Amino acid sequence: QVQLVQSGDELKKTGSSVTISCKASGDTFSTYVINWVRQARGHGLEWMGGIIPMFSSAHYAQEFQDRVKINADESTKTVYMDLTNLRPEDTAIYYCAGRPDGNTGWYSEFWGQGTLVTVSS
Amino acid sequence: DIQMTQSPSSLSASVGDRVTITCRASQAINNYLAWYQQKPGKVPILLIYGASTLLSGVPSRFSGSGSGSDFTLTIDSLQPEDVATYYCQKYNAAPQTFGQGTKVELK
Repeated sequence: QVQLVQSGDELKKTGSSVTISCKASGDTFSTYVINWVRQARGHGLEWMGGIIPMFSSAHYAQEFQDRVKINADESTKTVYMDLTNLRPEDTAIYYCAGRPDGNTGWYSEFWGQGTLVTVSS
Repeated sequence: DIQMTQSPSSLSASVGDRVTITCRASQAINNYLAWYQQKPGKVPILLIYGASTLLSGVPSRFSGSGSGSDFTLTIDSLQPEDVATYYCQKYNAAPQTFGQGTKVELK
């Protein structure tokens, strides 16, 4: 059973940046796919991007391409998501989610507990 | 980018009813389609992947079908614990877009 544990809630100012971490359990971290999905209050799920650690390079949704960076540290089995130039509309719960074998599909069998990011002006 | 459109956006049904939710991709995605259930205030959970493969432990009243661009999630006999919002997601290639969700309520 894979567990994904995220860092704590964040309160940020408009224009600042946030980094959220996602620590995975399990033995085959390098082949995991870890996606980042966000959900504003009362809204649907929004895929932001994802990474398979063994390939290093991440894929991003076009609307976040200029503001998000996802990277993985295999030594600590942790994936990080950086979101820059924060706006109030970035206020949302951010989830990491994934599965052990990213080579067979980027859907998400396991989910982190979610990290609430609140952006105020 | 491929768009995912779910219908209906919401529905109300009685316990024991058969419920059908559809998901349409703007281009063919083979069978790279997953379905998730999200109960209010909870983390989403995966129900189905590969359009029709039920995740272990998911009740058998849930089923998925379709291929190409048209997909269906069916709940054969709606139970009170099935009240939730259901999302489809394509995963053939980035971006792994979600549908807008279908809220299922009890009548």
